[in-house]
Amino acid sequence: GQNIDQPTEMTATEGAIVQINCTYQTSGFNGLFWYQQHAGEAPTFLSYNVLDGLEEKGRFSSFLSRSKGYSYLLLKELQMKDSASYLCAVLDSNYQLIWGAGTKLIIKP
Amino acid sequence: ETGVTQTPRHLVMGMTNKKSLKCEQHLGHNAMYWYKQSAKKPLELMFVYSLEERVENNSVPSRFSPECPNSSHLFLHLHTLQPEDSALYLCASSQEGTVGELFFGEGSRLTVL
Repeated sequence: GQNIDQPTEMTATEGAIVQINCTYQTSGFNGLFWYQQHAGEAPTFLSYNVLDGLEEKGRFSSFLSRSKGYSYLLLKELQMKDSASYLCAVLDSNYQLIWGAGTKLIIKP
Repeated sequence: ETGVTQTPRHLVMGMTNKKSLKCEQHLGHNAMYWYKQSAKKPLELMFVYSLEERVENNSVPSRFSPECPNSSHLFLHLHTLQPEDSALYLCASSQEGTVGELFFGEGSRLTVL
């Protein structure tokens, strides 16, 4: 079957750096996506990786290794507003999005 | 106007009620989706409409019935639901060719008593 694994919850300190990992086993691969979802709000698109390597967007970066079935989302200079759930999703060979259960990130002052 | 709007935001219904969830997108997208989100579980795709034609129905029980009258509007009609159907129902839209980049509404929180 198809599977996306990510930690259930992580805690980090304001101003620090945190890395949220995502491993996947899917039928084919057409890209990996990260979404952010604040409590009670809509998920919003953060990043897209289809080739190996690092994509940087301001304080957020996303890395992909297709051979390892692995991605991470790196958040730098953490702010309290970064407290949210982070969802990893993979587009499989049928162009269906396979979702992880999300990582709840708690930022402490 | 926000990109994807869902109403109502909260809904409580009994198992014998009939209700509908509404979604409207103002982004000019041509695909719309219904997802179910339960606590600590991955998003579950329920229905996909592309160019107003239903292209995906992931074995969803018939007590959920979608309707897509045009490319901007999507409904989810609810009938004889079960308590385990209580969840957050998310609507999303996308443009053909950018399937993985979804624009979500804020969801309708459904409680079935």
